[in-house]
Amino acid sequence: QSVVTQPPSVSGAPGQRVTISCTGSSSNTGAGYDVHWYQQLPGTAPKLLMYGNNNRPSGVPDRFSGSKSGTSASLAISGLQAEDEADYYCQSYDSSLSGSVFGGGTKLTVL
Amino acid sequence: EVQVVESGGGLVQPGGSLRLSCEVSGFTFSSYAMSWVRQAPGKGLEWVSGISGSGGSTYYADSVKGRFTISRDNSKNTLYLQMNSLRAEDTAAYYCASYMTTVTTSFDCWGQGTLVTVSS
Repeated sequence: QSVVTQPPSVSGAPGQRVTISCTGSSSNTGAGYDVHWYQQLPGTAPKLLMYGNNNRPSGVPDRFSGSKSGTSASLAISGLQAEDEADYYCQSYDSSLSGSVFGGGTKLTVL
Repeated sequence: EVQVVESGGGLVQPGGSLRLSCEVSGFTFSSYAMSWVRQAPGKGLEWVSGISGSGGSTYYADSVKGRFTISRDNSKNTLYLQMNSLRAEDTAAYYCASYMTTVTTSFDCWGQGTLVTVSS
């Protein structure tokens, strides 16, 4: 089990908005450590999608947005496109484990 | 352009050893903490180990502590992962990734991964 929890799957039709939640605990997200998000397209390496809770790296469309409050964070994708179909992972740092932790991943299906 | 290239994966018997390498170019290697992240077939991402820019501080997931050793050679812009006493559950694609700054931050540059299979 991951110490950070994500829903296994979400889905939406093209053009719709979906959100993916990420819930941690008092030793990671609740301790003030930032949440970061990664997109992994089928058969490829993960790619940084959002860092520091709500910052997009260069090249990431503004359809992607992030937020964090307390122990929870979320990734929102608006104007859903077929190319967004991928696995999404949240990540933070855990002070009890003295290391990084990933959520279990969420598979986004574009209907 | 930043490039991160892993090598050294392969098939190894349970109890065996393997050393992974990760060669980096396009940024000042010694200025950044580095890490290894793995992904078992069909599973999610798992952080394995991290190392500070100087190499003076190392960090390990409980699942590999005492069996794996992370190191770096800043003169060669290369990160290593020495894996001993390998188990079937270590079978995974191993990714090398740079931290954005310190080990509490995000992983911003990833390699393509190298596959390790532990099987008799």
